[in-house]
Amino acid sequence: GAGVSQSPRYKVAKRGQDVALRCDPISGHVSLFWYQQALGQGPEFLTYFQNEAQLDKSGLPSDRFFAERPEGSVSTLKIQRTQQEDSAVYLCASTSRFATSGGTGELFFGEGSRLTVL
Amino acid sequence: AQTVTQSQPEMSVQEAETVTLSCTYDTSESDYYLFWYKQPPSRQMILVIRQEAYKQQNATENRFSVNFQKAAKSFSLKISDSQLGDAAMYFCAYRSAAGNNRKLIWGLGTSLAVNP
Repeated sequence: GAGVSQSPRYKVAKRGQDVALRCDPISGHVSLFWYQQALGQGPEFLTYFQNEAQLDKSGLPSDRFFAERPEGSVSTLKIQRTQQEDSAVYLCASTSRFATSGGTGELFFGEGSRLTVL
Repeated sequence: AQTVTQSQPEMSVQEAETVTLSCTYDTSESDYYLFWYKQPPSRQMILVIRQEAYKQQNATENRFSVNFQKAAKSFSLKISDSQLGDAAMYFCAYRSAAGNNRKLIWGLGTSLAVNP
């Protein structure tokens, strides 16, 4: 696709429900990130994939959060037993590469999935 | 741990004028990258400009330029000839250049209004 696609754009869940948020990165992009952006805040890092490998999940706030990217393309962020504090916009970003030295690797972001937990 | 501070929650500028958004950061690292991102109401983050810490020359992209002061740990964004389409949230972000650390650390953002 032309850009990073996220679905659903809006999700309302009752407290305790499970939700799944999908991210379709730009075709061929190796690296994929999830960020959480609470209202009025900057994004906070959740997790990072390189191809299908989850290289960093240090930002996941609890074991209720789980992310996967089984074929190295589409990624799903799953939140189990949602709580009100999970209400936020979940941003997905992808990039084509990071050079061996790290590189600037411009990130391309989707429009985010806004989760509201009642 | 690294932190990024944006001390201006809101700014406004007249169309065609110049505005400067402030950003300071704290790090003990010597090699890193700094970014300014724009987030319009559609929520899609768009990269505005980036700076490699090892480069002394300030980055410029058309009407956007930065004032990078490494010793002071300051990274301000200057928008010249402001346009109505520049109205958005602007976020300053930091990324380490070390090893496999790929995550961005973000400030709280500055909301920029452009007045016609």
